[in-house]
Amino acid sequence: SYELTQPPSVSVSPGQTARITCSGDALPKQYAYWYQQKPGQAPVLVIYKDSERPSGIPERFSGSSSGTTVTLTISGVQAEDEADYYCQSADSSVVFGGGTKLTVL
Amino acid sequence: QVQLQESGPGLVKPSETLSLTCAVSGYSISSGYYWGWIRQPPGKGLEWIGSIYHSGSTYYNPSLKSRVTISVDTSKNQFSLKLSSVTAADTAVYYCARQDIAAASDGWGWFDPWGQGTLVTVSS
Repeated sequence: SYELTQPPSVSVSPGQTARITCSGDALPKQYAYWYQQKPGQAPVLVIYKDSERPSGIPERFSGSSSGTTVTLTISGVQAEDEADYYCQSADSSVVFGGGTKLTVL
Repeated sequence: QVQLQESGPGLVKPSETLSLTCAVSGYSISSGYYWGWIRQPPGKGLEWIGSIYHSGSTYYNPSLKSRVTISVDTSKNQFSLKLSSVTAADTAVYYCARQDIAAASDGWGWFDPWGQGTLVTVSS
């Protein structure tokens, strides 16, 4: 079955740039989507169609795609950005990555 | 704005059927979009269960397909999930969400917004 691979954890200091990757063989032909999930809360969409940002999401969140890897970039990380981040895409069905815990040091 | 709210039993016995409903407010299901179910075992990641269109057209996660039924009731503006023959491995927070496929143009789309989720525990 199709898998999306994310690093389990990423740590950055406040004000730095965090980059979270997601790899999958079908990503060159399928869009990727990113969700932020804080403890005890439902996921929130932060990036759609690889690089589009929904209204209400801060400009410091951006997405990019290159080959079989997509990247969520958070510029000028703030303490409130500490959360789990999941990528989502599809091959023959919808698939989520395993999630990355972003720690703000 | 669109809001989704899951409801159903929080405890289900092994081998029985889990049944949940997602009530949608602020948008008519009949107007479009797909509507999906996603679950998250405690401390683990997200797993897509399946989705339904207002016409009743469904598609399911192949790994769960034999046990899953998703239905829609447009008169009540809600959709439902049934998962049969549950085991402890089905213990999870179950979320419902609106799925935007049309705007995605990739045939699958994204989930937004999500309900708050409901914890279902499978235990005797």
